[in-house]
Amino acid sequence: AQTVTQSQPEMSVQEAETVTLSCTYDTSENNYYLFWYKQPPSRQMILVIRQEAYKQQNATENRFSVNFQKAAKSFSLKISDSQLGDTAMYFCAFMKLAGTSGTYKYIFGTGTRLKVLA
Amino acid sequence: DAGITQSPRHKVTETGTPVTLRCHQTENHRYMYWYRQDPGHGLRLIHYSYGVKDTDKGEVSDGYSVSRSKTEDFLLTLESATSSQTSVYFCATQGVGNQPQHFGDGTRLSIL
Repeated sequence: AQTVTQSQPEMSVQEAETVTLSCTYDTSENNYYLFWYKQPPSRQMILVIRQEAYKQQNATENRFSVNFQKAAKSFSLKISDSQLGDTAMYFCAFMKLAGTSGTYKYIFGTGTRLKVLA
Repeated sequence: DAGITQSPRHKVTETGTPVTLRCHQTENHRYMYWYRQDPGHGLRLIHYSYGVKDTDKGEVSDGYSVSRSKTEDFLLTLESATSSQTSVYFCATQGVGNQPQHFGDGTRLSIL
């Protein structure tokens, strides 16, 4: 069974600095997708970034980028120029095709609570 | 996001009562999901649907049932609520293929 591990329950970073959140996963699959979601205090689940396993190039979205190491099964999120609005819980998620119904299922990590300090 | 509405947003009820949570989407997405979020566990899949009247169990389905009579609505029912089902419940939808799931704003359910 797939598992997703986020080993940092809490982190803090000074405003304008850079922070990296770690995520490792365990799978025997070759085709899968990885995501980072942000959950601010409002409770919304907001997609931050997505990575396809078959792509070697690391995904970037403005201040957010990932370091995807497929062989090491590692998928870390780097936030540059941290802003107060980045304060949130961040979840790493693994997605793969499950069964014959065409359904894709997520496995989530337990989350990292990030606090950006003024 | 993606036109997903969960109702109610908050609910407090007593042990042993039936509870139904509703998820309504306007995106005509085929796939719909129910998750629960608990501290230390992230989000865990309860049930999912891959079409009208087509549903299946997730990893934490005991004590829950679902129904999907039309594309836009996915109902989660707790037949006899227990305190262990106190949680935040999220609905998610997904279009065809391998697109990211989009989430509703969640329902906070407290069972006393």
